[in-house]
Amino acid sequence: QKEVEQDPGPLSVPEGAIVSLNCTYSNSAFQYFMWYRQYSRKGPELLMYTYSSGNKEDGRFTAQVDKSSKYISLFIRDSQPSDSATYLCAMGTYGGATNKLIFGTGTLLAVQP
Amino acid sequence: GAVVSQHPSRVICKSGTSVKIECRSLDFQATTMFWYRQFPKQSLMLMATSNEGSKATYEQGVEKDKFLINHASLTLSTLTVTSAHPEDSSFYICSARDLGGEGTDTQYFGPGTRLTVL
Repeated sequence: QKEVEQDPGPLSVPEGAIVSLNCTYSNSAFQYFMWYRQYSRKGPELLMYTYSSGNKEDGRFTAQVDKSSKYISLFIRDSQPSDSATYLCAMGTYGGATNKLIFGTGTLLAVQP
Repeated sequence: GAVVSQHPSRVICKSGTSVKIECRSLDFQATTMFWYRQFPKQSLMLMATSNEGSKATYEQGVEKDKFLINHASLTLSTLTVTSAHPEDSSFYICSARDLGGEGTDTQYFGPGTRLTVL
């Protein structure tokens, strides 16, 4: 079993839809969680960072963490064609000397105009 | 957010030559940087962890003599692909660890370098 599971998609939605992207994980030691957006042939861009269970909102994006279920989500409201990209979840633990992140495989999202 | 640059963005070279890729954290100091490789439509594959002033730590299966990493300062890490061959053609991405305020510990990525070996 992989430490982090993420549906690769592709996920296709119409413009304006609410998008839900999800990851599950098996390692209860993970303490903080991130979502990155990666456009084709570009480096990943950090979207959201959270370290506690609950919701964190930033504009049209909401990150949700449920540590008891080992489940994290990213919601995108009023999705736009410019949101079309691959979304990667990532997670890690504090206190490590080098602190590798563990990434999901990424979900490819296409928002149709 | 913090900015990480990478140079060059694209390089084409002949088989057998060496290629150096630079990764710089522009507005913060990074004691740790990471080098990833990404194949088309696949996720990031961690190659090595680069620590300022010490030897890099390579992931299993990554040849350290093939992929030389130097982290000479708190803002610069370099990856040198030695004696490159066509199978080394890939998208190489670096990231820099930012120990920011409020207990955050995250990575910011560079824009990537596309290497094509002929």
